[in-house]
Amino acid sequence: SYELTQPPSVSVSPGQTATITCSGDKLGEKYVYWYQQKPGHLPVLVIYQGDNRPSGIPERFSGSNSGNTATLTISGTQTLDEAEYYCQAWDTSTVVFGGGTELSVL
Amino acid sequence: VHLVQSGAEVKKPGASLKVSCKASGYNFIAYYLHWVRQAPGQGLEWMGWINPNSGGTDYAQKFQGRVSMTRDTSTDTAYMELNSLTSDDTAIYHCARTNGGSTYGWFDSWGQGTLVTVSS
Repeated sequence: SYELTQPPSVSVSPGQTATITCSGDKLGEKYVYWYQQKPGHLPVLVIYQGDNRPSGIPERFSGSNSGNTATLTISGTQTLDEAEYYCQAWDTSTVVFGGGTELSVL
Repeated sequence: VHLVQSGAEVKKPGASLKVSCKASGYNFIAYYLHWVRQAPGQGLEWMGWINPNSGGTDYAQKFQGRVSMTRDTSTDTAYMELNSLTSDDTAIYHCARTNGGSTYGWFDSWGQGTLVTVSS
């Protein structure tokens, strides 16, 4: 079955750029979606289909996808960006989530 | 858009579980509904989807033979039944709507979650 691999954790200092990767076989040929989940809260979509941001998501969130790796980039990271981030893609008719990356801003 | 799920459940190993998800605020049959679970301290795990229009389903390989997703279009409610429960099934179960079809789309609305505890 198809798998998406994320680093378990990423640390960044406030104001710096955070990069979270998501790897999968020929992932660049698929649409990738990114979700932010804070403890005790539901996941929130932050990037969809490449580099599109839903309304209300700050411009500092961006995405890219090429080859076998999709990347979520958070520019000028703020402490309120601390959360778990999940990538998601479709493998034919099934949904696959990455294992999640805990972003620490300190 | 609102997805309201049934309440928390405690089950014994070997028992079955049925969770409901009542949709409102949109055309129920126009969007696929999925079930996603999250074990304590763990990540998101996709279980499957149902097409509320046709009743067609697709399940994650891990759950095939043990899960059943149904819907009632007269009440705009989707159901997820999971059999032969073990302690590994202890998790929060969410229904979630995708904005897309059967091969694409993103989760744009989530139910509040149903905590299921499996314990003897």
